[in-house]
Amino acid sequence: DTAVSQTPKYLVTQMGNDKSIKCEQNLGHDTMYWYKQDSKKFLKIMFSYNNKELIINETVPNRFSPKSPDKAHLNLHINSLELGDSAVYFCASSPLGEWTEAFFGQGTRLTVV
Amino acid sequence: DQQVKQNSPSLSVQEGRISILNCDYTNSMFDYFLWYKKYPAEGPTFLISISSIKDKNEDGRFTVFLNKSAKHLSLHIVPSQPGDSAVYFCAASLNNAGNMLTFGGGTRLMVKP
Repeated sequence: DTAVSQTPKYLVTQMGNDKSIKCEQNLGHDTMYWYKQDSKKFLKIMFSYNNKELIINETVPNRFSPKSPDKAHLNLHINSLELGDSAVYFCASSPLGEWTEAFFGQGTRLTVV
Repeated sequence: DQQVKQNSPSLSVQEGRISILNCDYTNSMFDYFLWYKKYPAEGPTFLISISSIKDKNEDGRFTVFLNKSAKHLSLHIVPSQPGDSAVYFCAASLNNAGNMLTFGGGTRLMVKP
């Protein structure tokens, strides 16, 4: 019974396309996140979202946007894909409150050709 | 500008011995520190954490030590087992920043039988 699940696991697409990655969590958590792991294996926060607040890492291009249809889902939309967007994208969730850990999905490997 | 650094990209240890993974940070406002373990093609899995009000936290074979004056934390695994072979990420968060995690670059631990 997967706690944080992402689909698809692999995504290959052409430059200029628009794509979405879906994320769902069944942990009842209030906050969800998107992280990007680049080719150098660094994991970096992109967004943090709960029903009150969206926090955006200032380095994230505005071609990237999170969409949350409900508390259990946070999808990542990417417009006009570029070669440099190729990476592994991880969704995560955590409960509200101080000093809580995040639970991660298995990742989506995006390849832009 | 990396705020969390893991200066050893890899570490090799004999089964049964102690593994010590190190992490340094620059932002003195970080108040929560975590270690994640990651296997290939999987998402990071939470291992152990420590808040800034403590200097040690222990969970079974895993102990995390925090030295705030040195802005340094370490993860001790004893005894090390071959199944511990993975990439270990150190992470830090600010309580008032949506619990977003800032990750180090990771250390690949190899435990030899």
